[in-house]
Amino acid sequence: AQKITQTQPGMFVQEKEAVTLDCTYDTSDQSYGLFWYKQPSSGEMIFLIYQGSYDEQNATEGRYSLNFQKARKSANLVISASQLGDSAMYFCAMREGRGGSYIPTFGRGTSLIVHP
Amino acid sequence: GAGVSQSPSNKVTEKGKDVELRCDPISGHTALYWYRQSLGQGLEFLIYFQGNSAPDKSGLPSDRFSAERTGGSVSTLTIQRTQQEDSAVYLCASSQLGLAGGVQNIQYFGAGTRLSVL
Repeated sequence: AQKITQTQPGMFVQEKEAVTLDCTYDTSDQSYGLFWYKQPSSGEMIFLIYQGSYDEQNATEGRYSLNFQKARKSANLVISASQLGDSAMYFCAMREGRGGSYIPTFGRGTSLIVHP
Repeated sequence: GAGVSQSPSNKVTEKGKDVELRCDPISGHTALYWYRQSLGQGLEFLIYFQGNSAPDKSGLPSDRFSAERTGGSVSTLTIQRTQQEDSAVYLCASSQLGLAGGVQNIQYFGAGTRLSVL
């Protein structure tokens, strides 16, 4: 079974609108971390946001927020007020804690296109 | 530099040749990772270095692939007798700590080396 599932291969959003990118994960570990990365066409993976499994509040970083629903094992990325520069691939990743591998596992990504 | 540096940015080689890809991690980062990203795919883990510990080579796809990290800093990924299926972007990442959790374990990536095997 895949540890990280991103079900949306491609998403389109109008500039200035909000968009949600889905991510579900699978782990039996109690301690884990969830990450979102952005990969523009230049190729570099850019860290966006982090959520720890014990964090009670949803993580936020500027226009990015992580909708963390632990019971459903989902960690969706919400981008508010989309900008043209947000067009990129977005990857969700998980690092498991004591009971798992220290190697982060990545999903297959979602391609986001922001229309003017 | 401030970020992870990879060289070359692009490499074109002929099938059967050996190639070396270089990664210079962020200064002070003890953990270093190599990933492979094929067109339209996610990241495939290759190898992980943590300080002076033996590397985790569990992701290397074949014995044609090897990597070393000298002095706990620069790493070189070597692919021997390249095949066309080796064509991909090879990404390197470093993090401040390996085994510890939390924000400190954020991976910072280089821009990658795009390898094309003809």
